[in-house]
Amino acid sequence: DAGVIQSPRHEVTEMGQEVTLRCKPISGHDYLFWYRQTMMRGLELLIYFNNNVPIDDSGMPEDRFSAKMPNASFSTLKIQPSEPRDSAVYFCASSPPLPDTQYFGPGTRLTVL
Amino acid sequence: AQKVTQAQTEISVVEKEDVTLDCVYETRDTTYYLFWYKQPPSGELVFLIRRNSFDEQNEISGRYSWNFQKSTSSFNFTITASQVVDSAVYFCALSEADQGGKLIFGQGTELSVKP
Repeated sequence: DAGVIQSPRHEVTEMGQEVTLRCKPISGHDYLFWYRQTMMRGLELLIYFNNNVPIDDSGMPEDRFSAKMPNASFSTLKIQPSEPRDSAVYFCASSPPLPDTQYFGPGTRLTVL
Repeated sequence: AQKVTQAQTEISVVEKEDVTLDCVYETRDTTYYLFWYKQPPSGELVFLIRRNSFDEQNEISGRYSWNFQKSTSSFNFTITASQVVDSAVYFCALSEADQGGKLIFGQGTELSVKP
């Protein structure tokens, strides 16, 4: 079985540009999570979905960030406009019905110049 | 409030040494789950183990073993006869039953195993 798939793996953009990160969860998993990893803050949850519905977005840093899950096999995390402080590794994870283990994708390394 | 503390920022050992990574957690929930993940230099997060709060049995998987002690709120991870391929950052994480699936991660311990 394929694991969680994320694209792109690396993204370099300039401040002010729109960035879209993509995630395909493991088939059959009901939950999808977006995390961000930085040196300063470590790994932190941004938002998570259950059956395509956002459940908790309290970790989304500000209105520049938005996430969608139009169907069970696809989610996006969008940053508009991007800023240098958004530079980080963004992970997507999926899980069967909770409580269960979250399986992580390979991450997208975002650099905003 | 929930919190996970990994006091050891970096550990360096020589191959074949045993090494223990410490994890201390804080939670007010009686039902919770503890995890260890490995992040090798390639960057992905690899699941190692999950433990629920009602199961204090220690677990062994090959060279890896985990010691869960509710009395001290600790969930320590030991690698026996370490190998160079064990070099990675290891994260301990907590999930509370009433917080959905939110994982609270520790800051990680960077393990370096030298030949």
